[in-house]
Amino acid sequence: DADVTQTPRNRITKTGKRIMLECSQTKGHDRMYWYRQDPGLGLRLIYYSFDVKDINKGEISDGYSVSRQAQAKFSLSLESAIPNQTALYFCASRGNTDTQYFGPGTRLTVL
Amino acid sequence: SQQGEEDPQALSIQEGENATMNCSYKTSINNLQWYRQNSGRGLVHLILIRSNEREKHSGRLRVTLDTSKKSSSLLITASRAADTASYFCATDAFRSARQLTFGSGTQLTVLP
Repeated sequence: DADVTQTPRNRITKTGKRIMLECSQTKGHDRMYWYRQDPGLGLRLIYYSFDVKDINKGEISDGYSVSRQAQAKFSLSLESAIPNQTALYFCASRGNTDTQYFGPGTRLTVL
Repeated sequence: SQQGEEDPQALSIQEGENATMNCSYKTSINNLQWYRQNSGRGLVHLILIRSNEREKHSGRLRVTLDTSKKSSSLLITASRAADTASYFCATDAFRSARQLTFGSGTQLTVLP
């Protein structure tokens, strides 16, 4: 079984809709991250959380919000989706080492 | 902004050849990591090298780090078709709250 899971894997939505992407990890990690990847580019950090009570903005947080419902769960919301938020979204977790473990990604298309 | 920049952007080689990818970065780092991504899938950690290390090996992978030049290289020896993927360097910089900053990646194609 995968250690970091993301749902949904694919989503097509319309401009202005609210979207939630969910992430769960079974590794018992405290740190969780949300990234987006655009074609031909590396990952950019949206938000990160060091524990349930600690949420921090990343490089590109505008237009996004997050919720850390439990140690194992970290959700990303787009309050009012716009077309330039079309991208691949990845969740990752990290424990006491420096390695991050990534989920399989969510492909989001905003029409 | 992207801390790491990979070179080349794309690399195509024959099976059995060695592949070398380079990464340059801008600020002082705690460590530098290399990740692999198969098309449209999540990233997989390959290897980490700390700022006080100069070279590290893992199987067919060899990573070097030159902190004076702020650069790193990833060498894959005896490449296989299954090595076809995108490879990203990621830096864990001082004062970054232990975030990773990713480069734009090198697309490696290994031809059978």
